[in-house]
Amino acid sequence: EAQVTQNPRYLITVTGKKLTVTCSQNMNHEYMSWYRQDPGLGLRQIYYSMNVEVTDKGDVPEGYKVSRKEKRNFPLILESPSPNQTSLYFCASSPTSGRAPWAYNEQFFGPGTRLTVL
Amino acid sequence: GQQLNQSPQSMFIQEGEDVSMNCTSSSIFNTWLWYKQDPGEGPVLLIALYKAGELTSNGRLTAQFGITRKDSFLNISASIPSDVGIYFCAGQLSDGTSYGKLTFGQGTILTVHP
Repeated sequence: EAQVTQNPRYLITVTGKKLTVTCSQNMNHEYMSWYRQDPGLGLRQIYYSMNVEVTDKGDVPEGYKVSRKEKRNFPLILESPSPNQTSLYFCASSPTSGRAPWAYNEQFFGPGTRLTVL
Repeated sequence: GQQLNQSPQSMFIQEGEDVSMNCTSSSIFNTWLWYKQDPGEGPVLLIALYKAGELTSNGRLTAQFGITRKDSFLNISASIPSDVGIYFCAGQLSDGTSYGKLTFGQGTILTVHP
């Protein structure tokens, strides 16, 4: 089944304890992206990657890191989480065949990771 | 960063009614997208609009890309209970850079009463 998977689905942690949220897709998509969703603010893009070893900042990259060493994986790293990073996080992927700009090909979203930082 | 202004924030309607929501921006957008998010799920693409003035339908859904390229609307006709969810607009600025960057509206929460 074609899908985007995220782990963990739920995480409660404490301030300053490094964590990684994994994202994996099995559709051979070039483009992957991370978003956070907060009430009243919609989804805000954190980082995106157009292909392996190519990453760029979205609108809210502060406090986050990403890497794209393999096509299928795009982990989100919080080196020193803080309470304002408590949020619902979504990973998404899409192909870059067809029309540019590539972000407009249909993005497939993962199920989300609910993170609480105490 | 750039944000889209989406309205209304929430709607409570009776089954069978039509629904209209819209998004506006102070900047010009190249593409407008409309997504729906069911409770506990990630967003799913409903309609994509690529040209100013474009009007596109998908079943009971109709969306338009504004002529000024600064706005878009989504209409849902004859609403049914499964239309319940959060609807998001999204788009990309036409500044010629950041092809992978996508900006979302705040969302419209739709409740449909049977």
